[in-house]
Amino acid sequence: GAGVSQSPSNKVTEKGKDVELRCDPISGHTALYWYRQSLGQGLEFLIYFQGNSAPDKSGLPSDRFSAERTGGSVSTLTIQRTQQEDSAVYLCASSYRDRGETQYFGPGTRLLVL
Amino acid sequence: LAKTTQPISMDSYEGQEVNITCSHNNIATNDYITWYQQFPSQGPRFIIQGYKTKVTNEVASLFIPADRKSSTLSLPRVSLSDTAVYYCLVVERGKLIFGQGTELSVKP
Repeated sequence: GAGVSQSPSNKVTEKGKDVELRCDPISGHTALYWYRQSLGQGLEFLIYFQGNSAPDKSGLPSDRFSAERTGGSVSTLTIQRTQQEDSAVYLCASSYRDRGETQYFGPGTRLLVL
Repeated sequence: LAKTTQPISMDSYEGQEVNITCSHNNIATNDYITWYQQFPSQGPRFIIQGYKTKVTNEVASLFIPADRKSSTLSLPRVSLSDTAVYYCLVVERGKLIFGQGTELSVKP
């Protein structure tokens, strides 16, 4: 079946603007994750959704970052008042039930803040 | 929180066996250890997952000692296409912790 998809593939924005990044997980997967990967760096956990439970937001770097997951499927990561240091690849992943299982990653959204 | 450490880079030649070790000094007893592979401009891809001792699949083996403070990913007979970054992932007290990644370069 279809894998995890993310949109847009690339996003260029100006400092101070808000951006929304979208993730479509694999159908039937109840767990969804957002990560950030800066150039040449490892993966930084941002947020985790599991079913109807309250999301684990412990990785969000500031209150400018937020995410929601509507209907237990599609998720949107919003960055308000973007800063140049927000430039990175934002990766979404999903797994069948919870964080102990194999995660399937999307291709990522490359965000450049000018 | 568990701190995971991996070598930053490794070089190998085609046909050799490559072993990449990840140290995770405070992993809880009930956490799995997972390894991912990432090519440039792609999302990471699952390689192998284990809990203890040894796990083998069609592409790799994973060795986990009894104290579970480390894990070793073993890639048999690497080829040029195995050039990638390899990450270990542990879950400790419900927190997802990736290592910083090991950049493997396979030369002809």
